[in-house]
Order: sequence, then C-alpha cells, then structure tokens
Amino acid sequence: KQEVTQIPAALSVPEGENLVLNCSFTDSAIYNLQWFRQDPGKGLTSLLLIQSSQREQTSGRLNASLDKSSGRSTLYIAASQPGDSATYLCAVSHWGSGGSNYKLTFGKGTLLTVNP
Amino acid sequence: GAVVSQHPSWVICKSGTSVKIECRSLDFQATTMFWYRQFPKQSLMLMATSNEGSKATYEQGVEKDKFLINHASLTLSTLTVTSAHPEDSSFYICSAKQTLNTEAFFGQGTRLTVV
Repeated sequence: KQEVTQIPAALSVPEGENLVLNCSFTDSAIYNLQWFRQDPGKGLTSLLLIQSSQREQTSGRLNASLDKSSGRSTLYIAASQPGDSATYLCAVSHWGSGGSNYKLTFGKGTLLTVNP
Repeated sequence: GAVVSQHPSWVICKSGTSVKIECRSLDFQATTMFWYRQFPKQSLMLMATSNEGSKATYEQGVEKDKFLINHASLTLSTLTVTSAHPEDSSFYICSAKQTLNTEAFFGQGTRLTVV
C-alpha cells in the first residue's frame, strides 16, 4: 500500500529565508508527483507537477525535485514571504492495490508559517 | 491552470436529508474524478475514484450506498450524501484529471454541516 510522509509537520521561518519541505513515498511505481498549497478552509492549488521520468520542475521561487528510485521529493521555496504561509501537500499518482483503480495519495502536509 | 468548480461551497442540512455536491471541470474533459473528505487539520482522505460512464471505485470503509457518486459526463461528477447524519459533517473536495499523466486540479471544497 502506498504511503506518503511529509517532514516536518510544521515549520516557522522568518521572512526572506530559503526553506525545504520533504516528501517521501513507499512505492516507487508512480506516474507523477504533485505539490499543492492549501489555505485554511479552501481547496487545493496545484504548484508543481513532476512526471516520473523527470528530476525537477521550477516555477518562480519554487523548485521541486524527484528521486523516484529512493522515493523522495523536495520542495524548495526561495526568499520566503508571509504570503507563502499555508499548508503544503504532496501527492503521488499510482494504481491502487491489485490494479483496481487509479489513485492520488496525499501526505499529511507541512504547515508553513513565514513571519514578517 | 485548468478550473474545477465545486458547488455549493457550504451547505447546512437537517439530519436524515440528502445533499448533492457538484464538481465541474470548466475548460477540460475529465476522464477521472476523485472525491475526498478532509477532517480538521488532517490530510485528504480518498473516498472514491470515478471514471466517466462507469461505476465509481470506493475506498475500503466508504459506504457506497451512503455516498452516491455519478460521473455521467466528461465535465460533471456529483456526490450525494444520503440520509446525512452529524458525523457526516466534514469538508468534501473533488479533483479532476484529464488523463492519468496530467495534473490534478481541485475544486474549492464544500463544507457540509449536518444539524
């Protein structure tokens, strides 16, 4: 069964700091990995999608890497801002046990607080 | 990115009544849609996966007769919570993908409160 773990569960940093969020998954048979942002009481906003054949993706101040063989991904946020404060979730796309259905399995998220 | 619209954003209903939540992909055709439930300060729990024109695949422990999912078209999926009870109160979020390899886009979520 695919399991996704995110470390740390919470992170508080001063504005301007660079930071790294970690995500690990137990089964490397994935289609892709996606990083999301969720603000309190809201839906999810997609940040970056990395296909299983890719090593990294960049968007603005965000850079995500993927090491499929070791089951790890990192999200790097440069020059953090108070507006970056949110919960960050990673999710992997894969087939469920027995190949019965296609799934997107989430980690529990990292709550990021960027202090002015 | 693509837009997934979820409606309503919040609903309050009486215990024993049924509630329907709609999820629409506005600018792409979604072959696969997912329904999630999220408890406070918890991650998303997958309830079911639906492919257009076929029956939904439910996760273990999710009652298919209570949470009815219909994915009749490539742009619309609905989740009906039947005979709702207070323990069904939660945040429900849908997601849609065009193909297996493409990005998943999420609706804004629906806050259901059963009184």
